[in-house]
Amino acid sequence: EDKVVQSPLSLVVHEGDTVTLNCSYEVTNFRSLLWYKQEKKAPTFLFMLTSSGIEKKSGRLSSILDKKELFSILNITATQTGDSAIYLCAYSGGGADGLTFGKGTHLIIQP
Amino acid sequence: KAGVTQTPRYLIKTRGQQVTLSCSPISGHRSVSWYQQTPGQGLQFLFEYFSETQRNKGNFPGRFSGRQFSNSRSEMNVSTLELGDSALYLCASSLNPQGASTDTQYFGPGTRLTVL
Repeated sequence: EDKVVQSPLSLVVHEGDTVTLNCSYEVTNFRSLLWYKQEKKAPTFLFMLTSSGIEKKSGRLSSILDKKELFSILNITATQTGDSAIYLCAYSGGGADGLTFGKGTHLIIQP
Repeated sequence: KAGVTQTPRYLIKTRGQQVTLSCSPISGHRSVSWYQQTPGQGLQFLFEYFSETQRNKGNFPGRFSGRQFSNSRSEMNVSTLELGDSALYLCASSLNPQGASTDTQYFGPGTRLTVL
């Protein structure tokens, strides 16, 4: 059973639209939740959310963590074609399993 | 600072062979984690090394092993390759000595392994 579930699995929107990507997780010992962007190569770090930092913003991207309901969202406003990528969510339980990743959301921005 | 580097970038092997992949972390980072990425399973944690010791291990068979050297560079070895081992193998480094799971991990470009 997946411990991190991302939705939607894929999404196609037009340039300029706003998108919201979802990540829900089940956890025994929550430490942090991370978002990564993966284009054709390595995942690149976007945000890390912890108990002491449940909202992060960087330019057109923002993310919120709801520890009570066990989910996080990644918001992208005024999307551009360069935002096309797979967005990965991962949580850290502080245990011996490293980061546990969801399957990702494949986002396609059409001009 | 240079990022995480991995060699080789691409590799083709046949079933039954073994393979060694290499990873150099960001300078100053002492924790190195390895992940396997496939279309069906996504990113899955293999193991993590810190100060030349394996600290955490994922749910993979014993054919997958690794080690870390005193300069924090790490190698991953897969023996008796199977078709299902075809994947992108990603290495990630982090700074926090408390453990890779509590700190941001920075990924290398990966090694694309194809097993024929």
